[in-house]
Amino acid sequence: NAGVTQTPKFQVLKTGQSMTLQCAQDMNHEYMSWYRQDPGMGLRLIHYSVGAGITDQGEVPNGYNVSRSTTEDFPLRLLSAAPSQTSVYFCASSSLYSPLHFGNGTRLTVT
Amino acid sequence: DQQVKQNSPSLSVQEGRISILNCDYTNSMFDYFLWYKKYPAEGPTFLISISSIKDKNEDGRFTVFLNKSAKHLSLHIVPSQPGDSAVYFCAASAGHSGYALNFGKGTSLLVTP
Repeated sequence: NAGVTQTPKFQVLKTGQSMTLQCAQDMNHEYMSWYRQDPGMGLRLIHYSVGAGITDQGEVPNGYNVSRSTTEDFPLRLLSAAPSQTSVYFCASSSLYSPLHFGNGTRLTVT
Repeated sequence: DQQVKQNSPSLSVQEGRISILNCDYTNSMFDYFLWYKKYPAEGPTFLISISSIKDKNEDGRFTVFLNKSAKHLSLHIVPSQPGDSAVYFCAASAGHSGYALNFGKGTSLLVTP
């Protein structure tokens, strides 16, 4: 059972570079979300999607873009990386009245 | 502003004893509450949840209590085991939204033999 798969596991970027964090789920969940976790902080919601073609902003959306062209995939794009975006990123999926299932995270460092 | 607060960053408990993790929230619109457990280098895993129509939910060794008037919930683990050592996150949502959760900062539980 793959569940929620995130790639890559680790990434180092230079300031100003762009990249896409990949997320895929095989549970046919309609909802998907991206969170970031910083030291001493809880998880904070970046963007979420309630279905293919529908996305919305969470608590900390600035500097990130998302799209949802299929039910399975929900990539997170960093447009111009900044050191403040150094964090661990978690993708999650869920269905109505079922809890969020998380991937194992992508650890991103921006130098 | 943090809407879900876990005021104890860490807790140490002896094996076999009860662990009690606490969580407070400020948003009266929250109606769905969850606890997640997280081991290092892994994603959080769902542990137990409670809807605002209940005041208690049990699953094996884990029980969550909800006090709506105090805007307070707690997770009880009885008996505690060394494998329970992890970071525990409290989370809440409004409208029973399972996809847009507000998380606390977490409590690191250490269960010692």
